[in-house]
Amino acid sequence: EAGVTQSPTHLIKTRGQQATLRCSPISGHTSVYWYQQALGLGLQFLLWYDEGEERNRGNFPPRFSGRQFPNYSSELNVNALELEDSALYLCASSRTSGGADTQYFGPGTRLTVL
Amino acid sequence: GIQVEQSPPDLILQEGANSTLRCNFSDSVNNLQWFHQNPWGQLINLFYIPSGTKQNGRLSATTVATERYSLLYISSSQTTDSGVYFCAPGGSGTYKYIFGTGTRLKVLA
Repeated sequence: EAGVTQSPTHLIKTRGQQATLRCSPISGHTSVYWYQQALGLGLQFLLWYDEGEERNRGNFPPRFSGRQFPNYSSELNVNALELEDSALYLCASSRTSGGADTQYFGPGTRLTVL
Repeated sequence: GIQVEQSPPDLILQEGANSTLRCNFSDSVNNLQWFHQNPWGQLINLFYIPSGTKQNGRLSATTVATERYSLLYISSSQTTDSGVYFCAPGGSGTYKYIFGTGTRLKVLA
């Protein structure tokens, strides 16, 4: 069984640009979660998608947005990039929604904003 | 929201030693996971353990939900156990996991 995949592995952008990060969940998983891990700040919950709908979001500004496609893959968009957006972005998937099941994480996308 | 506290923040062990990592949380939870983050950033599931005790090889975990804590035991530690260990309890309803700040473990050969 293939795990959660994320692309790209690394992404370098300049301040003010937009970044798009992609995630493919494990086959059969309908929920996708996005987390930000900035240096020294731990893992912060960003967004949760299930069945194509945004179910919950963390304490992040609206320039962080995303969507989930009919095949359950997901995209995270970060607009108007700021230096502090530099972080490891992790995607996770689970079989059921609402956290009633184990979350499995992808390898992450490391975003650097110059 | 749920507050999560992990201890100790840092731990250095000699290979072969045993250790106990603790996770305290401030509210009742419906689920809890333990993860190991390796030096390359990959988060690896260790346990999904909302209550009770589970064992997997040299690792075991116990969650006492009524007393709001969970413990992760590592026995006969190996250098490959090095990394950061996170606990992540979660509530119900509009759901999200809250991650603790982690325990950074270094196992010396």
